[in-house]
This record gives sequence, C-alpha cells and structure tokens, in this order.
Amino acid sequence: NAGVTQTPKFRVLKTGQSMTLLCAQDMNHEYMYWYRQDPGMGLRLIHYSVGEGTTAKGEVPDGYNVSRLKKQNFLLGLESAAPSQTSVYFCASRRASSVYEQYFGPGTRLTVT
Amino acid sequence: AQSVTQLGSHVSVSEGALVLLRCNYSSSVPPYLFWYVQYPNQGLQLLLKYTSAATLVKGINGFEAEFKKSETSFHLTKPSAHMSDAAEYFCAVSGSSGYSTLTFGKGTMLLVSP
Repeated sequence: NAGVTQTPKFRVLKTGQSMTLLCAQDMNHEYMYWYRQDPGMGLRLIHYSVGEGTTAKGEVPDGYNVSRLKKQNFLLGLESAAPSQTSVYFCASRRASSVYEQYFGPGTRLTVT
Repeated sequence: AQSVTQLGSHVSVSEGALVLLRCNYSSSVPPYLFWYVQYPNQGLQLLLKYTSAATLVKGINGFEAEFKKSETSFHLTKPSAHMSDAAEYFCAVSGSSGYSTLTFGKGTMLLVSP
C-alpha cells in the first residue's frame, strides 16, 4: 500500500516549457487535490476533483490545468511555465465519506528559470 | 468563507519545555479543525482533528489541542518538547459538508534547542 505517490520528485523547467505532474493513490479515494506550497504562504489549493471526470478550481488555479481520467490518478499540467510557478507541489486524497483526513504525497519540487 | 491565522512564523523552545502553537480561525459554518506536521522534505501528516465531538482533542506524539468557540481558537500544545518535534506545523479549517475543502494557515516552524 503505497498511499499517495507523486512523479517526478524534482524538475527544472525553462520559462515557456510545459510539463505534467502525476499523482497516484491506491486507497480508492474519491477526492483528490493539488496544492502549492511557498515559503510563508502555507498550502494553497490549486484544483481539486470529487470524482473521475470532474474537476474544480481552488484558490490559485490560473496557469494550471488538471485532468482526472482515472479514479486513482490526478494530473496537474503547466502549459507555459513561468518563474512564479516555482514551488513545491503536493497532491492529497481522501474518502468522500469522511471530511476528516487528507493523505498527502511527498511533493514535487519545481523550479522554473 | 473560511480562514486561519497562525500567530508566529517561528517558535523556539528548549527541550523539555511547554510547546504552544497558536491558531485562530474564521468560518461562516461550524468548522472542522486540523493540525498537520511537516518534517523537512516530506509531505504533511495529520497530528489531530476536531470534528464537533470533544473539545479537547488528543493526537499523536503527545500533542493535544482545545477547541474554544468563544475565542475562535484551536491552539496546539505539548507539555514537554522533544528534539524530534522540530518541524513546521500547519493549522487548517474546513466546513463539515462533503465537498468542503481545507484552508491552511501559513505555518509555524517549531525550533527545539537542547
């Protein structure tokens, strides 16, 4: 039982390049989330999904797109990376029947130069 | 709308001293409240949660927190700090409905000196 995994762990992009971050969970959770963490800012919600094929915007969605084609996977895309998107990205998931606990992945450290 | 304020971006204590990390929340609906801990280069781990049952909540590693509605607070305490408690701590609030999302505070870094 791996929990929540994220790929890749580190990435350096040049401004304007695109990439996709992959989040996978093996707990059969319905809800999945993407956050970004910046120093002194805490975690801010980018997008989330309450089920396969559905996504919604969070607090800071601009510049990102997401897709949830399979229940266990949640992809975060950057179409044209900007230095302001340099951050640590965390994925999380939880059961629909429980508001209680989100389970977090280990994070992806992204640097955009 | 909901928000969380954590007082103090850094808190320093000596090993064996009381740990007190402050969290105040704002919520238009009855809140669920959480404390998460993040060790260096790791994801977040749930310490404890308040979900409208007992107002004094006990969590892992000897931490506890008390929900005080009149003060809109959910402060985290531990009677005796250990070196291994050094980490960043995040308070978070959500509503109680199924679609509720978490809103995090900006975090408090706990430093423990020998």
